[in-house]
Order: sequence, then C-alpha cells, then structure tokens
Amino acid sequence: SQQGEEDPQALSIQEGENATMNCSYKTSINNLQWYRQNSGRGLVHLILIRSNEREKHSGRLRVTLDTSKKSSSLLITASRAADTASYFCATETTGANNLFFGTGTRLTVIP
Amino acid sequence: DAGITQSPRHKVTETGTPVTLRCHQTENHRYMYWYRQDPGHGLRLIHYSYGVKDTDKGEVSDGYSVSRSKTEDFLLTLESATSSQTSVYFCAITTGLAGYTDTQYFGPGTRLTVL
Repeated sequence: SQQGEEDPQALSIQEGENATMNCSYKTSINNLQWYRQNSGRGLVHLILIRSNEREKHSGRLRVTLDTSKKSSSLLITASRAADTASYFCATETTGANNLFFGTGTRLTVIP
Repeated sequence: DAGITQSPRHKVTETGTPVTLRCHQTENHRYMYWYRQDPGHGLRLIHYSYGVKDTDKGEVSDGYSVSRSKTEDFLLTLESATSSQTSVYFCAITTGLAGYTDTQYFGPGTRLTVL
C-alpha cells in the first residue's frame, strides 16, 4: 500500500498543551495534506505542503516535511477541547492519480 | 461541506441486493471522488470522475461501478452487495482544475450496512 501511516494512533492531552502527530510514507510525493475528521462527519482540509517546502503555518497549526526521511509532522499549539478529532495525512505520490490517506491519529483534548 | 450532499445518509441492506449511493454538488466542479472508510485502513479511493461520462478506477474498485451523466451527480453502485462492503462511504470534490492535487472537500458520508 502507498498510504501514509500516522503515529501515534491515539493521543490524549490536557487543554492548553501542544499536540504533535507524525506521518510517514513510502514513495516520492508531490505534496502532502493534513485533514481533520470530527466524529460522524466528513474530512476537513487543514493544510497542504509541497515537496519543495519544509515548513508551513496556519493559525495554531505547524506542519513540517522531511522528504529525505519521508515523514511529516503536524503540531497543534495551545490545544482546545474543540480540537478533539481524528487527523489524517494524505499524500499525492509522483505518477499516481489520487491521494493516499493514512489511518489517522485520534486526538482527545481533555478540558 | 462545500455544497456536497450524499443520499441516503444511512442504509441497511441484505447481501446480494443492488445499492446505489448518490453524491450531489451544487457548484459544477469537474472532479468528484468516492472513498470508503474502514477501521485500520483510513480512506481508500473507489472510483473518481474527471467530467461527465469520464470515470476511472481507484485503489479498491472491485465490486463497484459509477456513473456521471450530469456534472452535479456522481452515483456509486454496488451491483450485488456483500458484507465486506459494509463501510462508511464519502464523496469528495476538488474545486480546481488540477484534480487530485488540489484540496478535497468531503460530503457528510453514507453509512452502509450489508447484512
């Protein structure tokens, strides 16, 4: 499978703490995207980072990409209870015609 | 949900029966996708469409067919449902012209149970 794998599978933190989740993938990519899914809902796009970029920020989100290690990380700073959700990475691999999604990290932020 | 609706939202059916799921968009975007989501597998692409009557297979297309006779509607059909097709099905669109390289916007999902 070409899908990415998130680590950890589940993460539980206190409100106000930072949350870091990681994504590893297997083949060369053109870009990598992160999505959030609240329970019972569809996925919502968070951020896209291209293969020639190393870091991007969006509000409380910081994404890094290390193509030499085939890995990405998503950092959520000053977490809130509303950040409780599953987070997925998705890779657009070179030569493929669709995104490949990982299995997700389940984040629980305790108020 | 970027103007994407899915119907039905929930369906229970029996093995061997045909099932059609509908995805409807209101903004005439070119690219539409069907995914299934299962525990331990994340989302996997079933089929996608890049225009009216233009479709292609994804990662897990066996047992599924699709049709797109109008820009706004993308139908997913299970010709003869099996228990392994019990899943949550998501439709998605991309708003740009580059297709899968763009941000994808997802519908609310259809929970299908095959008994």
